[in-house]
Amino acid sequence: NAGVTQTPKFRVLKTGQSMTLLCAQDMNHEYMYWYRQDPGMGLRLIHYSVGEGTTAKGEVPDGYNVSRLKKQNFLLGLESAAPSQTSVYFCASSKTGYEQYFGPGTRLTVT
Amino acid sequence: AQSVTQPDIHITVSEGASLELRCNYSYGATPYLFWYVQSPGQGLQLLLKYFSGDTLVQGIKGFEAEFKRSQSSFNLRKPSVHWSDAAEYFCAVGALNTGNQFYFGTGTSLTVIP
Repeated sequence: NAGVTQTPKFRVLKTGQSMTLLCAQDMNHEYMYWYRQDPGMGLRLIHYSVGEGTTAKGEVPDGYNVSRLKKQNFLLGLESAAPSQTSVYFCASSKTGYEQYFGPGTRLTVT
Repeated sequence: AQSVTQPDIHITVSEGASLELRCNYSYGATPYLFWYVQSPGQGLQLLLKYFSGDTLVQGIKGFEAEFKRSQSSFNLRKPSVHWSDAAEYFCAVGALNTGNQFYFGTGTSLTVIP
């Protein structure tokens, strides 16, 4: 039981490049979330999903897109990366929508 | 608007001393409250949660927290801190009618000195 895994762990992008972050969970959880963590800002919710095929915007959705084609996977996409998107990205999943289990994070640098 | 405030950015305590980390929230609905711990380079781990009932809740690793509605607070406590408790601590709030959105505080960094 791996819990929540994130791929990749580190990535460096140039401004304007695109990429997709993958989150996978093996706990059969309905709810999945993407957060970004910036110094002094805590965690801020980007997008979330309450089930396969559904997505919704969180607090800071601009510049990101998501997809939940399979229940176990939640993808976060950056179509045209900007330096302001330099951050640590965390994925989380939840069975009930309240207790969240977090992945180890992806450190993204946009130059 | 919903918000969570952790007034202490950084706290230093001696090993064996007691600890209290403060958390205040502003929320329009009945809140569900959480404390998470993050070790360096790791994801967040749930320490404890409050949904309803007894306002003093026990968590893992010897932590407890008390919900005080009148003060809009959910402070985290531990009677005797261990060196391994050094980490970043986050308070979070959510509720039933928010579309499952959670709001996190900015965190309190705990240093434990021998």
